[in-house]
Amino acid sequence: EDKVVQSPLSLVVHEGDTVTLNCSYEVTNFRSLLWYKQEKKAPTFLFMLTSSGIEKKSGRLSSILDKKELFSILNITATQTGDSAIYLCAAVKGGTSYGKLTFGQGTILTVHP
Amino acid sequence: DSGVTQTPKHLITATGQRVTLRCSPRSGDLSVYWYQQSLDQGLQFLIQYYNGEERAKGNILERFSAQQFPDLHSELNLSSLELGDSALYFCASSVGLTGGRYNSPLHFGNGTRLTVT
Repeated sequence: EDKVVQSPLSLVVHEGDTVTLNCSYEVTNFRSLLWYKQEKKAPTFLFMLTSSGIEKKSGRLSSILDKKELFSILNITATQTGDSAIYLCAAVKGGTSYGKLTFGQGTILTVHP
Repeated sequence: DSGVTQTPKHLITATGQRVTLRCSPRSGDLSVYWYQQSLDQGLQFLIQYYNGEERAKGNILERFSAQQFPDLHSELNLSSLELGDSALYFCASSVGLTGGRYNSPLHFGNGTRLTVT
């Protein structure tokens, strides 16, 4: 059975701290990994990672995929209160199973002023 | 704004009833996905359609059904509702089949919050 596990489940930091969120996966026919940020409503797309070892960056957020060790990390530097959200990762299947995503349970990040 | 529109935003109904949730995908997106999110289960994949055809099924109950129409909007029908069906139901869309040739990410709507009393 496909499985995606995120850690930690919850994280509380102060503004300015740097955080690292982890996502490990066991998925057959793995194609890519997606990161989303969920505040009050819809998860919003952050990154899609398909190749191992290539860092993707967007402002203070960055992410990298390790297809050998089957994990990805999401880094947020100089955190702000607006970064408080649930961060979700999802593994995408390829091959004949393309279209199926398995989401992790999410990491709840709380940033205090 | 992701461009994915879901209606209604909130729905309160009684056990045993039937409801229909509606989703309009982003312009140009051919794939529609339905997800259920509850506090204890996280985001659970229900079903996916591509250009009107069912392409993948997750843990969707037999009491639930969905379809995608020629104009690409989709509806999720939930019947014989139970208290445990109370959840946030998300629709997402993508250009092609995520993981397939175009491997485009999903873009989520704001969800329909269903409360079964």
